[in-house]
Amino acid sequence: DVKVTQSSRYLVKRTGEKVFLECVQDMDHENMFWYRQDPGLGLRLIYFSYDVKMKEKGDIPEGYSVSREKKERFSLILESASTNQTSMYLCASSTPGETQYFGPGTRLLVL
Amino acid sequence: AQRVTQPEKLLSVFKGAPVELKCNYSYSGSPELFWYVQYSRQRLQLLLRHISRESIKGFTADLNKGETSFHLKKPFAQEEDSAMYYCALSGLGGATNKLIFGTGTLLAVQP
Repeated sequence: DVKVTQSSRYLVKRTGEKVFLECVQDMDHENMFWYRQDPGLGLRLIYFSYDVKMKEKGDIPEGYSVSREKKERFSLILESASTNQTSMYLCASSTPGETQYFGPGTRLLVL
Repeated sequence: AQRVTQPEKLLSVFKGAPVELKCNYSYSGSPELFWYVQYSRQRLQLLLRHISRESIKGFTADLNKGETSFHLKKPFAQEEDSAMYYCALSGLGGATNKLIFGTGTLLAVQP
């Protein structure tokens, strides 16, 4: 079974803090993705990575950056958290052209 | 523009009634269409994809290229079908398989 884990289920941060969200997959998948999920907006792609140290912007990359130093780990970084980044963040992984498998999500509240 | 439209935010039906969740898409190339489901307190998971032509949990979906639709159907709804359903598309054969999601439809099956 594919396992995608995220470091935290819930996070509370203050405006201006630097926030790290971690995602780990154990299936040797090349592709990894970060989405945010908001009511009425669905899932929107923030960044994705198709190999170690490779990344591409998704649809809403502003205010975010990512890091992929190892194949199994993909980190999402909020350089200076703002209240409009309060959301549910979902990580996913896949082999190229195949089904994406999702993590349980991290619900982030920025005060 | 690449887009997935789910016109209904909420669909409420009675147990045993037929269900149809609507999905329309706009894509310039050859799309691959998916339905993902998220049950309460569970992670997002694949329900079905059009190329596999499977029936999962009694649900089916047919890709209609003329109407650019991929509606999800089930003849007799069950209470355990209550969940959030997302329609998504990606480019067929694409290695990075980025997904474009619709805004989701919450299905509520009443006893």
